[in-house]
Amino acid sequence: EPEVTQTPSHQVTQMGQEVILRCVPISNHLYFYWYRQILGQKVEFLVSFYNNEISEKSEIFDDQFSVERPDGSNFTLKIRSTKLEDSAMYFCASNLAGGVGTEAFFGQGTRLTVV
Amino acid sequence: RKEVEQDPGPFNVPEGATVAFNCTYSNSASQSFFWYRQDCRKEPKLLMSVYSSGNEDGRFTAQLNRASQYISLLIRDSKLSDSATYLCVVILTGANNLFFGTGTRLTVIP
Repeated sequence: EPEVTQTPSHQVTQMGQEVILRCVPISNHLYFYWYRQILGQKVEFLVSFYNNEISEKSEIFDDQFSVERPDGSNFTLKIRSTKLEDSAMYFCASNLAGGVGTEAFFGQGTRLTVV
Repeated sequence: RKEVEQDPGPFNVPEGATVAFNCTYSNSASQSFFWYRQDCRKEPKLLMSVYSSGNEDGRFTAQLNRASQYISLLIRDSKLSDSATYLCVVILTGANNLFFGTGTRLTVIP
């Protein structure tokens, strides 16, 4: 069964450092997303990406964040200068045709710990 | 105001019990509704979509009341494997991103 894969599964970084979280969406999917979940809290939308550009982003997705699809398979989330409060589980997701009526498949997540 | 609100629980029920979860959403422009399931420290996985007419999938029944902006999930004959957090999810009209509730934690006890 096709799946969304994320690497690494766990990343520890020092405050102020840059991190890149990587995702390989399902190959025929067209919409890609990043969500985050701070421990004990709800899953929060960060950004959606379609046709090689950001289609929507939340207030959380400020100038410290960027996304890129550098080739035909990878979808990355970069945090330029990490803060302690960026510690969370980051989930990548993809679906075939946007939100309406189509299932979004989530990767297993990258646990980011900022120390 | 929260987009999606759920009772966080926890709900502790014996095997075989029937349990119901409720969810309310604030934006009347919401167009698509889902229940996702999340196991501890795992990714959310789609349990079922929620349709206006209500829908059933085995032991699971979902209902939508657009007038009251209310969604429900009923689980019959609970199994130990149903223990998880159940996430109410909404998509607004014209949007693609999912709005998640905080989730309702269910523990099924032997």
